[in-house]
Amino acid sequence: EVQLVESGGGLVQPGGSLRLSCAASGFTFSSSWMGWVRQAPGKGLEWVANIRGDGSDKYYVGSVKGRFTISRDNAKNSLYLQMNSLRDEDTAVYYCTRDEAWGQGTMVTVSS
Amino acid sequence: DIQMTQSPSTLSASVGDRVTITCRASQSISSWLAWYQLKPGKAPKLLIYKASSLESGVPSRFSGSGSGTEFTLTISSLQPDDFATYYCQYYNNYFGPGTKVDIK
Repeated sequence: EVQLVESGGGLVQPGGSLRLSCAASGFTFSSSWMGWVRQAPGKGLEWVANIRGDGSDKYYVGSVKGRFTISRDNAKNSLYLQMNSLRDEDTAVYYCTRDEAWGQGTMVTVSS
Repeated sequence: DIQMTQSPSTLSASVGDRVTITCRASQSISSWLAWYQLKPGKAPKLLIYKASSLESGVPSRFSGSGSGTEFTLTISSLQPDDFATYYCQYYNNYFGPGTKVDIK
């Protein structure tokens, strides 16, 4: 059974940084595309970034390019999202995804 | 980038109606598509994966079809609990803009 467990969310001031982690199990992590999606309060679903199984390709939605970095450690079956220069509009629940499977989400609040 | 579109953006329907939502990809995505239901204050709910496979526990009135660039989500007989917003997603990638199903 695919299991994805996010951590690392919290309250951060505008301009600050946060690193999200996702611990994966139940599938062959190193050969799986992985992604991050988010849902802002009262808003719809937005894809944020994805990464190929070997880490060689990474893609981002335009609003986070240059600020967020997706990475992975296949030895640890872990996915990461480094978020820098955070803005109010980055406030959302962030979900780790592997195809149709999602974690439970971690809340990121950007506020002064 | 592969872009996803959905139609209609809003759909007004009555309980018991058959409802169909269409999702289109800007290029072929094979069957790598999921459908989600979103309600205010709740986590997204997976309905359909791999374009046509019904997620465990989801009522059989929901069905998905299509491959390549055109996909549909059908609710065979709309129930009160189904009034929500529906999103398609190309796996690990962009979502469609959503279709809100509201009461006629």
